[in-house]
Amino acid sequence: EAQVTQNPRYLITVTGKKLTVTCSQNMNHEYMSWYRQDPGLGLRQIYYSMNVEVTDKGDVPEGYKVSRKEKRNFPLILESPSPNQTSLYFCASSLGGGRTGAGANVLTFGAGSRLTVL
Amino acid sequence: GDSVTQMEGPVTLSEEAFLTINCTYTATGYPSLFWYVQYPGEGLQLLLKATKADDKGSNKGFEATYRKETTSFHLEKGSVQVSDSAVYFCALNQAGTALIFGKGTTLSVSS
Repeated sequence: EAQVTQNPRYLITVTGKKLTVTCSQNMNHEYMSWYRQDPGLGLRQIYYSMNVEVTDKGDVPEGYKVSRKEKRNFPLILESPSPNQTSLYFCASSLGGGRTGAGANVLTFGAGSRLTVL
Repeated sequence: GDSVTQMEGPVTLSEEAFLTINCTYTATGYPSLFWYVQYPGEGLQLLLKATKADDKGSNKGFEATYRKETTSFHLEKGSVQVSDSAVYFCALNQAGTALIFGKGTTLSVSS
């Protein structure tokens, strides 16, 4: 089944304790992205990657890191989490990556990772 | 920059009522337009899309028409069901750029 898999789905951690949220897709998509979803703010993009070894900042990158060493994986790293990073996080992927046409840019989302930082 | 504005929710309807969720956009070029739906506890999934002016996207009884003259992409359904209760996101995309989402509209349908 074509899907985007995120782990963990739920995590409670404490301020300053490094954590990684993994994201993997099995569709050979070039484009991958991380969003956070907060009440009243909708989805905001954190980082995205157009292809392997190519990453760029989205709208709210502060406090996050990403890497794209392989096409299928795009982990989100919080080096020193803070309470304002408590949120629902989504990984998404698409064929996209500079291609024209709506079909290429349809995003497939993971089920979400709910992170609480105390 | 490009942006999407959706009507604020929540929208509360009875089963079989008519639904409209308004969406307008601002964009410099000719974007593609999308509606995504997020059911409780799940990630977003594509509901429908339109790639050019006057295109109508449709799926699961939902429709939206790309209106360039009014820069709108309103979502409609003639008869909603309880199972349609979800958060709906309007979004736009220019070729080669990131998808831009509206803030989402929560729909609650009661029987």
